[in-house]
Amino acid sequence: SQQGEEDPQALSIQEGENATMNCSYKTSINNLQWYRQNSGRGLVHLILIRSNEREKHSGRLRVTLDTSKKSSSLLITASRAADTASYFCATAAAYSGAGSYQLTFGKGTKLSVIP
Amino acid sequence: DAGITQSPRYKITETGRQVTLMCHQTWSHSYMFWYRQDLGHGLRLIYYSAAADITDKGEVPDGYVVSRSKTENFPLTLESATRSQTSVYFCASSESSGYGSYEQYFGPGTRLTVT
Repeated sequence: SQQGEEDPQALSIQEGENATMNCSYKTSINNLQWYRQNSGRGLVHLILIRSNEREKHSGRLRVTLDTSKKSSSLLITASRAADTASYFCATAAAYSGAGSYQLTFGKGTKLSVIP
Repeated sequence: DAGITQSPRYKITETGRQVTLMCHQTWSHSYMFWYRQDLGHGLRLIYYSAAADITDKGEVPDGYVVSRSKTENFPLTLESATRSQTSVYFCASSESSGYGSYEQYFGPGTRLTVT
């Protein structure tokens, strides 16, 4: 099955710096989503980008999608200590029918923002 | 309270015992999902449901059983627990979609330990 793979696995930055995480996937997608998980908690949806979109913004988040390279990046600008969490990309397959509403998650990037 | 809840939050059981993890959502979302999260594997889909009385296998269904008699509930049963099923289990729900286009809302998780 297709799977997003995040890179790097772990990232440590100073507060105020920008954080960039990358996601690669294997097959055609309908959309790609990013989620955040704070330690010991459930995942929280951050942003969704469709296959016909190239860039999307939400507050301090910027997501890009390059379907030709099958990759996406998540940029968090002016990071804060509260951004410390694991970030996951998830892909929705580009086919209809049973299972098309499934998401396939990557293994995540663990971001540490040092105050 | 509106949202998605899971119970119990923590569970310790012995090998061979049957365990049921509960999931309840108040949004009347059509789709519900069960994932397990393990170090090194990210989130893996166990079972999903498109509506009441409609369920299907995900990536790692062996050893698990689900049912969905009501839209709001989606219990997951481990018929005979094994140590390999020690994990954190997340339930999620989503609005109906033909292409998995909507975000998934996650519960807080159940940490299950099988001794």
